[in-house]
Amino acid sequence: GAGVSQSPSNKVTEKGKDVELRCDPISGHTALYWYRQSLGQGLEFLIYFQGNSAPDKSGLPSDRFSAERTGGSVSTLTIQRTQQEDSAVYLCASSPGTDLSSNQPQHFGDGTRLSIL
Amino acid sequence: GENVEQHPSTLSVQEGDSAVIKCTYSDSASNYFPWYKQELGKRPQLIIDIRSNVGEKKDQRIAVTLNKTAKHFSLHITETQPEDSAVYFCAASRRNQGGKLIFGQGTELSVKP
Repeated sequence: GAGVSQSPSNKVTEKGKDVELRCDPISGHTALYWYRQSLGQGLEFLIYFQGNSAPDKSGLPSDRFSAERTGGSVSTLTIQRTQQEDSAVYLCASSPGTDLSSNQPQHFGDGTRLSIL
Repeated sequence: GENVEQHPSTLSVQEGDSAVIKCTYSDSASNYFPWYKQELGKRPQLIIDIRSNVGEKKDQRIAVTLNKTAKHFSLHITETQPEDSAVYFCAASRRNQGGKLIFGQGTELSVKP
């Protein structure tokens, strides 16, 4: 299909390791969002991209978290020196982003379930 | 910053009954309010959304109402079916902030046959 694709679907790693999560948005969507969903909780905004720029990084929990987007398409979210509290489902969403003055529907991927041992 | 409160956290109804989920928001500049349905282990799916220039929107058995004065919006599901069982999330966002969504904590809806 042509939906938002995320990889890996599951990641188990040891505390202190670095992890990289990937998001491939819907083709042509210029806006891309990362959210985090902890067990039984709502979704928490992390960062937003418009094209390759990140105008809003306000949700990143600490400087161990970073994200980039290249070519206006694929984005990677990197967590350095992982901690147990980083365990969560990391969700990516994209929207057309063509009209910056109004909000447009966001379509989500299946997420990456991250478990820190 | 924006805060979105959602109630109830769990809701159990008999098949065929109606279900109502309510959300309140704090930022009066919020202008877009989507609702997502998330089945266990699946991605959130957009089911309906409403903008601040509209008071009500309906799509088959689903409707959303918005009261800007009171800063609350509600999801109404009529003639519930077992396949409506899922977690429902409301969200809010402001114009010109890139579409960042602030989510409620979710409502686990159970529809009993």
